[in-house]
Amino acid sequence: DSGVTQTPKHLITATGQRVTLRCSPRSGDLSVYWYQQSLDQGLQFLIQYYNGEERAKGNILERFSAQQFPDLHSELNLSSLELGDSALYFCASSESGTWNEKLFFGSGTQLSVL
Amino acid sequence: GESVGLHLPTLSVQEGDNSIINCAYSNSASDYFIWYKQESGKGPQFIIDIRSNMDKRQGQRVTVLLNKTVKHLSLQIAATQPGDSAVYFCAEKIGGGGKLIFGQGTELSVKP
Repeated sequence: DSGVTQTPKHLITATGQRVTLRCSPRSGDLSVYWYQQSLDQGLQFLIQYYNGEERAKGNILERFSAQQFPDLHSELNLSSLELGDSALYFCASSESGTWNEKLFFGSGTQLSVL
Repeated sequence: GESVGLHLPTLSVQEGDNSIINCAYSNSASDYFIWYKQESGKGPQFIIDIRSNMDKRQGQRVTVLLNKTVKHLSLQIAATQPGDSAVYFCAEKIGGGGKLIFGQGTELSVKP
């Protein structure tokens, strides 16, 4: 168990809908990362937060947004969902978000858009 | 652009043999590398890391080798066990931030 908690584990929804994925980082970790894993794209970095502030942005679509709350949990919001958004979404955390820290990953949320 | 790639998408080994998983990276500015193991239905799990000022690091049954000259990273698993069956990813960081860039992954299958 990595200590990173993601909910829900599975999510099935329809095209055009909006969903929210939730992540609680390991105790003491201030930085949260979101990744998308699909069969054809592998693990793609979406966005990073540190202590409530956005720190880095990757290949995140404009339809997607995220935030980190004062209690350090994070949410990833996906809107106007398309079939191609079906993927595993992982949250990871690290202590301070610096270059030489390992990331600890949650078990992921499997999103299926029908 | 930045990319991390794996030479072999699948690797099958006999239980007890040593496994070597390779990874090529293209960004010479990368200064920190990590190997992750991902089992079915689970998130990536940290195995071992290495900084760019090192060329070898050993853990329990695992060794990571870094060759900066040819931008190559490898993971060696000694006495491979059935529990080692998983997809292995190499990942790199470019200094100044925390994000990881992942390779495509190699699936390791261990035959009993």
